[in-house]
Amino acid sequence: AQSVAQPEDQVNVAEGNPLTVKCTYSVSGNPYLFWYVQYPNRGLQFLLKYITGDNLVKGSYGFEAEFNKSQTSFHLKKPSALVSDSALYFCAVRGGWSNTDKLIFGTGTRLQVFP
Amino acid sequence: KAGVTQTPRYLIKTRGQQVTLSCSPISGHRSVSWYQQTPGQGLQFLFEYFSETQRNKGNFPGRFSGRQFSNSRSEMNVSTLELGDSALYLCASSGVTGVLEQFFGPGTRLTVL
Repeated sequence: AQSVAQPEDQVNVAEGNPLTVKCTYSVSGNPYLFWYVQYPNRGLQFLLKYITGDNLVKGSYGFEAEFNKSQTSFHLKKPSALVSDSALYFCAVRGGWSNTDKLIFGTGTRLQVFP
Repeated sequence: KAGVTQTPRYLIKTRGQQVTLSCSPISGHRSVSWYQQTPGQGLQFLFEYFSETQRNKGNFPGRFSGRQFSNSRSEMNVSTLELGDSALYLCASSGVTGVLEQFFGPGTRLTVL
């Protein structure tokens, strides 16, 4: 069965510093990985995805993520955090192209960027 | 292009009642998925519809049901509401079977008293 783990409930970082939000996954086949962000009282917004190809994926708002197959990780990164990046971040994985493959979300990591 | 819309945005019901939530996907999207989000359980998958057929189902009791219409709009229904059904219900649409990224609506906040 596929699963995704976000080991940190909260990440605190000072504005201007680099940030990392961690995600590890478990799937039986090739993983399809996604990051979403949720602002208060809003739905989820798509940030980026890894399907195949380059291990470094660039997404919206200056975010990027690094796919590491050997460590089964897909950490979200940003070189310089902004206060406005404070939100809830979700990693998600889909284990295949089949119709029976669902999108499974992690428990979320709250990012707090301090001025 | 208009995004995913959900109605109503907020709903208050009492135990034992039933509720119907509506979702209109992005134009051209044929896959609609529903999720329940609660502080304790996080985001949990309810079901996915594609071309009016339920293709995937999560681990929820039969009180939770859904359907999709020919215009891809979807509804979900919860019967005999329980306090634990209080949650944010999110709808997401995608272009092809959810393989590509899903686009989420703002959600319907359901409170069961």
